[in-house]
Amino acid sequence: DGGITQSPKYLFRKEGQNVTLSCEQNLNHDAMYWYRQDPGQGLRLIYYSQIVNDFQKGDIAEGYSVSREKKESFPLTVTSAQKNPTAFYLCASTRTGGTGELFFGEGSRLTVL
Amino acid sequence: SQQGEEDPQALSIQEGENATMNCSYKTSINNLQWYRQNSGRGLVHLILIRSNEREKHSGRLRVTLDTSKKSSSLLITASRAADTASYFCATDAGGGYNKLIFGAGTRLAVHP
Repeated sequence: DGGITQSPKYLFRKEGQNVTLSCEQNLNHDAMYWYRQDPGQGLRLIYYSQIVNDFQKGDIAEGYSVSREKKESFPLTVTSAQKNPTAFYLCASTRTGGTGELFFGEGSRLTVL
Repeated sequence: SQQGEEDPQALSIQEGENATMNCSYKTSINNLQWYRQNSGRGLVHLILIRSNEREKHSGRLRVTLDTSKKSSSLLITASRAADTASYFCATDAGGGYNKLIFGAGTRLAVHP
């Protein structure tokens, strides 16, 4: 079945450590996105990528980094520069030129100890 | 920045009742989408309505869009306990890269 796979589902990190969240899709979608969700709030865009080897900052990119070396993969690194990294992270993808519907993974919950 | 604002923040109803959620936004849009999120899970797309459409139906869902008031509503008819979830509106203001801006959501609880 086609879809988006995020891993790990739960991740604990000590302050000062970088962590990388994985996002893989087999939908053959061109565009991929990372969102952050805090309790009781909507989603805020961190980074997005429309094609391989290209990505743009979203609204809250500070303290995060991404890469897009393959169409299927869009990993997110939460760096030690991110002041408040505890959150639920959601990866999504969409087909360029499609209706704009986003397909989401199941999310990764990061907790900083 | 968040453009969509849902109202109410939380809604509690009995099975069989209808649930109405509202969304207001600030700028012109290409389309508006509604998503559902079960607790601790990813979002699932429910329905998309374009700026030149006024109403759209999908099963027990009915969405309206009033671009003059910059608002949309989602109606779930004959609700079921399985409809318990958070519902988000998301607006696409254009720009060519499908950048959606999400509201804070409405938490719906449907009691058996």
